[in-house]
Amino acid sequence: DAGVIQSPRHEVTEMGQEVTLRCKPISGHNSLFWYRQTMMRGLELLIYFNNNVPIDDSGMPEDRFSAKMPNASFSTLKIQPSEPRDSAVYFCASSPQDSYGPQHFGDGTRLSIL
Amino acid sequence: DAKTTQPTSMDCAEGRAANLPCNHSTISGNEYVYWYRQIHSQGPQYIIHGLKNNETNEMASLIITEDRKSSTLILPHATLRDTAVYYCIAFPGNQFYFGTGTSLTVIP
Repeated sequence: DAGVIQSPRHEVTEMGQEVTLRCKPISGHNSLFWYRQTMMRGLELLIYFNNNVPIDDSGMPEDRFSAKMPNASFSTLKIQPSEPRDSAVYFCASSPQDSYGPQHFGDGTRLSIL
Repeated sequence: DAKTTQPTSMDCAEGRAANLPCNHSTISGNEYVYWYRQIHSQGPQYIIHGLKNNETNEMASLIITEDRKSSTLILPHATLRDTAVYYCIAFPGNQFYFGTGTSLTVIP
């Protein structure tokens, strides 16, 4: 079975540019989560969706960040404009049981903002 | 919401059992204990979870004390590929808080 698929795996861009990260959850899972991981702050939840509806976006750092889930098989996390402090590994995860079940993580997108 | 505490790091000899402790003294009756691990540069991987009874699957065993204030994840025969950061999490309540976990190093 295919796991959670994230793209791109690596992204290097200059500050001020728009960055779009993509995620395809496991088929049949009804919850999707976006996390950010840095050495300083560890793994932080940014936002999660249940049945394509955003449930909790309190972890989104500021208005430069936005996330969408237009259908059950696709989600995007957008940063516009990007800043060097946004450099991190961004993980997407999905779960078959709302927010309470085991989460299955993708391999992440390593983002570097120069 | 229950917080969990884990040792920062542990070593284990290859082939021996790795026993990773977790304290969750404030866990409530309906909160599960979940374990994940993260191998360097990969996404976290779900291992096992339990409520009251001990649990076992193909990856590990989970031993929960009778008072549920602590638990131990057991990797019965640790291999070099088990070197990772292991996270103990209380579900629900802190299901999104991974903390710093225990960095397990399996030594040849």
